[in-house]
Amino acid sequence: QVQLVQSGAEVKKPGASVKVSCEASGYTFTSCGISWVRQAPGQGLEWMGWISPYNGNTNYAQKLQGRVTMTIDTSTSTAYMELRSLRSDDTAVYYCARDGGGYEPWGQGTLVTVSS
Amino acid sequence: DIVMTQTPLSLSVTPGQPASISCKSSQSLLHSDGKTYLYWYLQKPGQSPQLLIYEVSSRFSGVSDRFSGSGSGTDFTLKISRVEAEDVGVYYCMQGTHLPHTFGQGTKLEIK
Repeated sequence: QVQLVQSGAEVKKPGASVKVSCEASGYTFTSCGISWVRQAPGQGLEWMGWISPYNGNTNYAQKLQGRVTMTIDTSTSTAYMELRSLRSDDTAVYYCARDGGGYEPWGQGTLVTVSS
Repeated sequence: DIVMTQTPLSLSVTPGQPASISCKSSQSLLHSDGKTYLYWYLQKPGQSPQLLIYEVSSRFSGVSDRFSGSGSGTDFTLKISRVEAEDVGVYYCMQGTHLPHTFGQGTKLEIK
């Protein structure tokens, strides 16, 4: 079955970087985009950006421009999201999702906690 | 950015009764390709969101026919014909017509 499995929880200090992975299985990896969405504690969903595993094209949310980089490793069917210069308000669960006309499925989520 | 406004923000429904959630966008979601990229997701407690409805009214594979979506332009509605206990969670609309994609604030459904 189609599945996205994300890396485990992270605790980072302000100013540090985090890189979350999202390994896809059960479908042709290059056939659909991967979107990243985050959810701060008790809050709603925030779109972070999108990457095409086919050609590496990206589109990032304006508010994260300059701090976020999304990449792909087609050899392992894995997408990565790196966020730099972390702040306390980056504390959130980060999700990847297959974007093939609607986001489905979603990964299980990766909790990133930013705390001194 | 397109603003998605959901109403109500919370809903308490007796099992077997219907429920309806409205989602309004600040601009038309009709794409130049003729499609309208409006989606509905349900996030059950402690889980990742799951896709219910795509392109306004198409039910995703495996989704109960108790769920239906309708609307056009800037006004959209998700209806549940008969609410069941398993429907609890937060419902989000999302537009995928314009970048950045944006979500509604969410509507929390609880069972009376």
